[in-house]
Amino acid sequence: GQNIDQPTEMTATEGAIVQINCTYQTSGFNGLFWYQQHAGEAPTFLSYNVLDGLEEKGRFSSFLSRSKGYSYLLLKELQMKDSASYLCAVRDANTGNQFYFGTGTSLTVIP
Amino acid sequence: GAVVSQHPSRVICKSGTSVKIECRSLDFQATTMFWYRQFPKQSLMLMATSNEGSKATYEQGVEKDKFLINHASLTLSTLTVTSAHPEDSSFYICSARPYTLAGANNEQFFGPGTRLTVL
Repeated sequence: GQNIDQPTEMTATEGAIVQINCTYQTSGFNGLFWYQQHAGEAPTFLSYNVLDGLEEKGRFSSFLSRSKGYSYLLLKELQMKDSASYLCAVRDANTGNQFYFGTGTSLTVIP
Repeated sequence: GAVVSQHPSRVICKSGTSVKIECRSLDFQATTMFWYRQFPKQSLMLMATSNEGSKATYEQGVEKDKFLINHASLTLSTLTVTSAHPEDSSFYICSARPYTLAGANNEQFFGPGTRLTVL
């Protein structure tokens, strides 16, 4: 099976940097995705890692260490609109490349 | 970009009735679509994988006779919640994976979701 863990809630200040961690255990790892989800809406794609290292996309960066089963999403220059849930999802090649989601991290950005 | 639509976006029904939710990929073909359920303040839980032209694959604990899935074409999958009960009230989200060559980054694109409330 897949065990994907994220912190449940985080709070950060506008303009600051926040790091959201995700650990996973899966036998057929084939990529890790980060999604943003606002309340009552569908998730939107943020980033994708399949090799070790850092992927940067504007204010968002994502890091992956396959040997440690670990990823983080880094959000810089936080804005109030970044308040949302952030979902870590692992793709498993052993189950037809299905996605398995973590519980999500609810981020609240305060002034 | 790839767009996935769902219809209806919101539905309220009486206990015991059946509800059909449609998921369409608007500008790409999807041999595989996924159906997720999300309860308040929880993450997405995969219910089933819908394959065009074949039977759906259900996750453990999901009743296949209660949640009927039909993937009739490369752009349409439907989820029917039969004999709905209040505990079926949830946010149902579909996603579609574009048909690509093997080994490509075959990402999923999510629909906007359907909020089901069973009275």
